[in-house]
Amino acid sequence: EAGVTQFPSHSVIEKGQTVTLRCDPISGHDNLYWYRRVMGKEIKFLLHFVKESKQDESGMPNNRFLAERTGGTYSTLKVQPAELEDSGVYFCASSKGQGLTNEQFFGPGTRLTVL
Amino acid sequence: SQKIEQNSEALNIQEGKTATLTCNYTNYSPAYLQWYRQDPGRGPVFLLLIRENEKEKRKERLKVTFDTTLKQSLFHITASQPADSATYLCAPPGSSNTGKLIFGQGTTLQVKP
Repeated sequence: EAGVTQFPSHSVIEKGQTVTLRCDPISGHDNLYWYRRVMGKEIKFLLHFVKESKQDESGMPNNRFLAERTGGTYSTLKVQPAELEDSGVYFCASSKGQGLTNEQFFGPGTRLTVL
Repeated sequence: SQKIEQNSEALNIQEGKTATLTCNYTNYSPAYLQWYRQDPGRGPVFLLLIRENEKEKRKERLKVTFDTTLKQSLFHITASQPADSATYLCAPPGSSNTGKLIFGQGTTLQVKP
C-alpha cells in the first residue's frame, strides 16, 4: 500500500511568487491534515479536511494560504504571494478516523525556501 | 493556550541502556497522547497511542506512561540500539480531540555503540 506522497520535495521561489504544494493521502483515508515546521520551531497544525470539507482551519496563518481538496482525494496548498517567513517544511498527513483512531500517516514533506 | 514541553537538549546514551524521554503538557487535559519518531529528512512516524485511562502501554522495547495528575508522559526505550537514534515527538490532540495534533519540539536521542 502506497503511503502519503507529497510534491514537490523541494521548492525554491522568490518573495512575491506563488507556490502550490500537493499531497496525495493514503487511499481510503477521509482525514487529511497539513502541518508545517519553520526553522527551529515545533511542527504546527495548519488545517484538517474530512473528505472535501474543511473541519478545522484554525492554524492557517493568513489569507495568503489557500487549501483545497476537490473530490475528497488529493489536496493542494497554495501560498500566494509567498513571504520570507513562509519558508519551512510542509507536511501532509492522513488518517482513517479521528480521535482515538487517529493514527496519522505523514508524508516526507515539502521543503519550501522563499528568497 | 495548550503547551507541550519536551527536553530540547539531545539525549546521549550508551547502547543497551534505557532511554527515558519526558513530555509535559499544560492548560488542558487531552483524552490521549501519541508518540512519533522522526528521522532527518522524513515525516514523523507513529509509534504508540496511550489513552487517559491507561497508565502504561507497551510495544516491543517501547513503553509509554501517562500521568494525568502530573500532566506528564514518559517514553522509554529499553535495550537501546544505535538504530533508535532519532527525534521523538510527543503529540496530544488539540482540546477538541477531533484530529489535529499539538507537537512538542521533540527530543533527539543519540545511542552510541
